[in-house]
Amino acid sequence: GNSVTQMEGPVTLSEEAFLTINCTYTATGYPSLFWYVQYPGEGLQLLLKATKADDKGSNKGFEATYRKETTSFHLEKGSVQVSDSAVYFCALRGTQGGSEKLVFGKGMKLTVNP
Amino acid sequence: DAGVIQSPRHEVTEMGQEVTLRCKPISGHNSLFWYRQTMMRGLELLIYFNNNVPIDDSGMPEDRFSAKMPNASFSTLKIQPSEPRDSAVYFCASSGLAGGTDTQYFGPGTRLTVL
Repeated sequence: GNSVTQMEGPVTLSEEAFLTINCTYTATGYPSLFWYVQYPGEGLQLLLKATKADDKGSNKGFEATYRKETTSFHLEKGSVQVSDSAVYFCALRGTQGGSEKLVFGKGMKLTVNP
Repeated sequence: DAGVIQSPRHEVTEMGQEVTLRCKPISGHNSLFWYRQTMMRGLELLIYFNNNVPIDDSGMPEDRFSAKMPNASFSTLKIQPSEPRDSAVYFCASSGLAGGTDTQYFGPGTRLTVL
């Protein structure tokens, strides 16, 4: 079945540090890939997504590129801010029947200190 | 535009009591999802509906849990009887075919505490 493996952390960085959160997936066909972010006390919200190989999703300074050859969708940001402190989830949406549902990774908690 | 609405935001109840969580999806969305989030197990999909019909309830933990979607604008998740191990944050999410989106939009969650 479909699955997502991501770094679990927790991770603590200083402001303006570079961030990478690794995410790899297992799926048949060409799934859509997502990064969701959960700020403290809130629900998950979409950060970015990519729907086909070599697509790059970007939002709020975050980027991730859909790499079919390495089955990866790593999240990067060049300079993190305190406001980026949150839990980050990688997810995929398959292409098989009943594919409306998302498969989530376990999430990674990021804390950014001033 | 209103997002996904969940009520109540917080619920504290005693073991054995019935608990009902409510969700109003985004208007026009035709898929609705119920998730449970705990520190131990992370984010788990409990059940999802498409066009008000349950499609996959394999994540529902046991018969104490039930979910309904009587119309396109309302869904409930009921736990009867509740147990302390049901304590978690329960999220509702919706998605729709309008615009070809496959993005799920999450509500703010209901934090359930069973004493």
